[in-house]
Amino acid sequence: DTGVSQNPRHKITKRGQNVTFRCDPISEHNRLYWYRQTLGQGPEFLTYFQNEAQLEKSRLLSDRFSAERPKGSFSTLEIQRTEQGDSAMYLCASSPTGTRRTGELFFGEGSRLTVL
Amino acid sequence: GQQVMQIPQYQHVQEGEDFTTYCNSSTTLSNIQWYKQRPGGHPVFLIQLVKSGEVKKQKRLTFQFGEAKKNSSLHITATQTTDVGTYFCAGPESGAGSYQLTFGKGTKLSVIP
Repeated sequence: DTGVSQNPRHKITKRGQNVTFRCDPISEHNRLYWYRQTLGQGPEFLTYFQNEAQLEKSRLLSDRFSAERPKGSFSTLEIQRTEQGDSAMYLCASSPTGTRRTGELFFGEGSRLTVL
Repeated sequence: GQQVMQIPQYQHVQEGEDFTTYCNSSTTLSNIQWYKQRPGGHPVFLIQLVKSGEVKKQKRLTFQFGEAKKNSSLHITATQTTDVGTYFCAGPESGAGSYQLTFGKGTKLSVIP
């Protein structure tokens, strides 16, 4: 499968624990995004990477959230000291470099986080 | 910040009926995208509109971008059960140099067979 791959697909954790999600984008895509989606809402932007550089972060993103893309390929999203409000679907998306800053996004299946 | 609003939030239609969802932005958009998310699935890109007044068709789906580039619509003719899902519009954040898309809350379509 050459689509965007995310794991784990589901994670249940206790409040206060740290969690990490991994995203493997489509191999030729150098743009990678993390979005968060809660029930009944559209995806909400978290952060953006171009190759290994993190070029944009949401102003709403707590400092408990950190993302990396060390070699410009896969990316990880870590949430420290999880809170119940962090429960959501975490979506990774990738896209090829294009003439526009915002082109078609290819989303992965998502990682669903439940914080108890 | 920029807001993208969609109406209606929910729509139930009988199979064969038409369906329209509307999207409005608080700011002028350079382009607008539409995505479909099936129940339990992830958003899948449908189309991107760039030009003022642009109309694009994909089989039974018709997408329109307003003249002022602040609104858009998606119309489905003769809905089928395979059209079930949530339809999102998304526009680029208005801040200079931003790569983020701002999504609406979506319109959830149910089709009664």
